[in-house]
Amino acid sequence: DAMVIQNPRYQVTQFGKPVTLSCSQTLNHNVMYWYQQKSSQAPKLLFHYYDKDFNNEADTPDNFQSRRPNTSFCFLDIRSPGLGDAAMYLCATSRDRDRVFNEQFFGPGTRLTVL
Amino acid sequence: GIQVEQSPPDLILQEGANSTLRCNFSDSVNNLQWFHQNPWGQLINLFYIPSGTKQNGRLSATTVATERYSLLYISSSQTTDSGVYFCAVRSNDYKLSFGAGTTVTVRA
Repeated sequence: DAMVIQNPRYQVTQFGKPVTLSCSQTLNHNVMYWYQQKSSQAPKLLFHYYDKDFNNEADTPDNFQSRRPNTSFCFLDIRSPGLGDAAMYLCATSRDRDRVFNEQFFGPGTRLTVL
Repeated sequence: GIQVEQSPPDLILQEGANSTLRCNFSDSVNNLQWFHQNPWGQLINLFYIPSGTKQNGRLSATTVATERYSLLYISSSQTTDSGVYFCAVRSNDYKLSFGAGTTVTVRA
């Protein structure tokens, strides 16, 4: 089945130690998104890639970076995690950004703990 | 940006009961999605429904775009229906704007 995969499902890191979260998709979608979701809150968009074009949200901290080496994979890098970065990180894809093909599909998420 | 309001914020049901969740939005939309977030945190797509009515098993949804609201119906609820239900909409830009969610607890 076509799907969005995230690894690892659970990640523990230390304060200030860089961490990378991974997302892959078999849907061959053009757009990949990264969301941060804290406890009892709605997901918050960090950035997205439209093909190779990177689009950062204005309020995303510089501590968060992303890479998309090919259509299938997208990575979230947190350069110096703080305690406030502990959250669920959700990857999503959509076929396109236009009015017709913009349905988003989510992966299972990576729950990040910062010690 | 577009505002999304979901009601009620919390809902407690006895197994077998029916319920209706509501989503109001402040502007015209070209995407409306309903999600179920399970206890493990995964967002599961329920419906892509910018307008009209759809049904999938015990769940159905209706969006009245001209009146800027959507309803999610859960019939014969089961304990596995527990979790948070999110409504998310997209207006003229690429972003999905999420409501605050409705937390549903189904008791056996």
